[in-house]
Amino acid sequence: QKEVEQNSGPLSVPEGAIASLNCTYSDRGSQSFFWYRQYSGKSPELIMSIYSNGDKEDGRFTAQLNKASQYVSLLIRDSQPSDSATYLCAVTSGSARQLTFGSGTQLTVLP
Amino acid sequence: DARVTQTPRHKVTEMGQEVTMRCQPILGHNTVFWYRQTMMQGLELLAYFRNRAPLDDSGMPKDRFSAEMPDATLATLKIQPSEPRDSAVYFCASGFGRDTEAFFGQGTRLTVV
Repeated sequence: QKEVEQNSGPLSVPEGAIASLNCTYSDRGSQSFFWYRQYSGKSPELIMSIYSNGDKEDGRFTAQLNKASQYVSLLIRDSQPSDSATYLCAVTSGSARQLTFGSGTQLTVLP
Repeated sequence: DARVTQTPRHKVTEMGQEVTMRCQPILGHNTVFWYRQTMMQGLELLAYFRNRAPLDDSGMPKDRFSAEMPDATLATLKIQPSEPRDSAVYFCASGFGRDTEAFFGQGTRLTVV
């Protein structure tokens, strides 16, 4: 079992719709959870961090964390074509608290 | 403008040659990660330092790869000898403390022919 798992997609949504991205993790001791966005040919860019159960909102983005279910999600409201990218879930885990990434979900927002 | 700086941005080398990649973390950050990204494997953690001490290099092929932090402003990743299967984008990222976010450099695209 991979430490961090994401649906690889690709996921397509129409412009203006809500995009929902999901991630599960295996280490129950994980404390920190992040979402990164990576455009093709570019480096990963941090867009959200979440540390406690519940929802965290930042503009059109909402991160949701459920530690009991070992599940973290990212909702993108009013999706725009510029949101088309690969979204990477990352979790600090292990004894050294290393930052481990999922394989990413490719999102396409159709105009 | 605080950012992680990586050099070189692109490197083409012949199989068997030594490759050195450099990273300057964001000033004040004490945690440095090295990742390798390929289409097949995604982002793989190669090495991880905090306060210049290596915490985890279990993802790094020890026979040919080495990672060091000669000082707080420089991290290096070396491959010797390089092989075609090492072709990938290598990212450095830095952060502060434990369980915190990391900020990525622009990466080094390595091609070994």
